[in-house]
Amino acid sequence: GNSVTQMEGPVTLSEEAFLTINCTYTATGYPSPFWYVQYPGEGLQLLLKATKADDKGSNKGFEATYRKETTSFHLEKGSVQVSDSAVYFCALVNSNSGYALNFGKGTSLLVTP
Amino acid sequence: DTGVSQNPRHKITKRGQNVTFRCDPISEHNRLYWYRQTLGQGPEFLTYFQNEAQLEKSRLLSDRFSAERPKGSFSTLEIQRTEQGDSAMYLCASSSRLAGDREQFFGPGTRLTVL
Repeated sequence: GNSVTQMEGPVTLSEEAFLTINCTYTATGYPSPFWYVQYPGEGLQLLLKATKADDKGSNKGFEATYRKETTSFHLEKGSVQVSDSAVYFCALVNSNSGYALNFGKGTSLLVTP
Repeated sequence: DTGVSQNPRHKITKRGQNVTFRCDPISEHNRLYWYRQTLGQGPEFLTYFQNEAQLEKSRLLSDRFSAERPKGSFSTLEIQRTEQGDSAMYLCASSSRLAGDREQFFGPGTRLTVL
């Protein structure tokens, strides 16, 4: 089956710092990776996605490149803001299960002023 | 379009009681998913429907759990004889064939506490 591993949190950064959250996976078939974000008190929201190898997903200043050779989809942002404080989940679509998502454990990010 | 809605948002029950949650997906989304999220973990897949047909159930879905999606619209998740280990956030998501089914939209969740 598929599995997703992402770096442990919590991660604490100062405003305008560079962010990287690592995500690697094992998968069969043709997986598609996603990053979801959960802001305090809110539901899961799709942050970005990729559909094929070497695709770069981007949104709100965040980027992630789907690297098939290293089975990775690391999340990056050049300059974080306080409003980016949230929990970030790396996820993978399992095409063998009606596209059910396999999630990592989540990485909590706190950005301080 | 108001997004995926779930009711109730919070449920506190005593061990051994039955509970039922409801999910209303985005209209015309043909796939509906249920996930469970415990503290400090990512969501775990429970089951999914394509229209009214329940096509897959995770091994996490014990015999005490049952889900339905009559008429292919809203869905209900029932837990019978609740146990303290059932305490979690229950998430519902839906997706559309038009979007390739790969992007799922999540509801706010129902937080269950079993005393």
